[in-house]
Order: sequence, then structure tokens, then C-alpha cells
Amino acid sequence: NAGVTQTPKFQVLKTGQSMTLQCAQDMNHEYMSWYRQDPGMGLRLIHYSVGAGITDQGEVPNGYNVSRSTTEDFPLRLLSAAPSQTSVYFCASSFLGTSGGDEQFFGPGTRLTVL
Amino acid sequence: AQSVSQHNHHVILSEAASLELGCNYSYGGTVNLFWYVQYPGQHLQLLLKYFSGDPLVKGIKGFEAEFIKSKFSFNLRKPSVQWSDTAEYFCAVTSFSGGYNKLIFGAGTRLAVHP
Repeated sequence: NAGVTQTPKFQVLKTGQSMTLQCAQDMNHEYMSWYRQDPGMGLRLIHYSVGAGITDQGEVPNGYNVSRSTTEDFPLRLLSAAPSQTSVYFCASSFLGTSGGDEQFFGPGTRLTVL
Repeated sequence: AQSVSQHNHHVILSEAASLELGCNYSYGGTVNLFWYVQYPGQHLQLLLKYFSGDPLVKGIKGFEAEFIKSKFSFNLRKPSVQWSDTAEYFCAVTSFSGGYNKLIFGAGTRLAVHP
């Protein structure tokens, strides 16, 4: 049971480049989400999904796309990277549970720098 | 929109001192409440959670938190901190609305414990 895995661990992009951050979980969780962590701002929700084929926007969705074709995978795409997207990105997953959700399990993070 | 406020951004304590970190949230409906911890260089881990029942919740490593509904608060406490508690602590709230749940984080409190 690997939990939540993310690749790559580190990435440097030039402005305008595109890339996909990968996230996978092997716990059969319905709920998956992407956060970005910036100093002094905590974690902010980018996009989330409650199941295959269902995604929705979080607090800071602009510049990011997601899709969920399987229960296990939830990739995050940056179509045209900007320096403002320099951050640490965390993927998380959980069962939906009752009354709003359950404990989320976090991946190890991807540190992205956009030059 | 929901929001989560953590009152202290940086806290410095000596070992054996008592700790209380404040957390207030803005959502008036049914909520689930969490405290997560991020040790240096690591990803987020759950300290404790409140879904319902006894408003005094005990978590791992001697931490506890009290849910006070009338004050929209969920403060984290530990009677005697150790150097190994040096970390960043995040309060988070989920709410169940429209069939989906979102986990919203506070900005975090960075705790440094000196021997």
C-alpha cells in the first residue's frame, strides 16, 4: 500500500512551458484534490474530484486543468506556466465519508519553480 | 465563502511550556474540523479530527483540541511541548454542501521549540 504518490518531486520550468504533475492513490478513495502551499498562505485548494469523471474548482483554479478518468489517478496540468505558479503542490485523497468528508492523506509534494 | 483563521503565524516556546494555537472558522453549517502537522521536510499528517460527539478531541503525540461551536473555534493544545514538536500546524475545515466537500486550510502556525 503506497498511499498517495506524486511525481516528479522537483521540477523547473520556463515561462510558457506546459507540464503535468502526476498523482496516484491505491486506497480506493473517491475524493482527490490538489493544493498549492505558499509561505504565509497555508494550503489553497486548486481543484478537486469526488469520483471518476467528476471535477470541480477550488479557491485558486486559474491556470490549472484537471481530469479524472480513473479512481486512482488525478493529474494536474499547467498549460502555460507562469512565475506566479512557483509553489509546492500537494495531492491528497480521502473517502467521502459522512457529514462532509474524512481524513485526507497527503502525498510528498512536488516543488515547482517557474523561471 | 468559508475561511479559516489562525491567530499566530509564529510561536516560539521553550521545552515543557504549554501550547495553545488558535483557530476560528467562518462557516455556520455542519463542519468537520482537523489539525494537521507538517514536520520540516515532510508532508502533512493528521494530528486530530472532530466530526461529532465530545467536543474535546484527543490526538496523537499528546495533542488535544476543543470545539466550541458558539465561538466557531477549534483551538489546539498541548500541556508540555518537546523539541520534536517543532513544525508547522494547520487548522482545516470541511463542510458538506451540494453533495461535495472541500477542505479549507488556515495559513498555518510555525512553532519553534527551543531546548
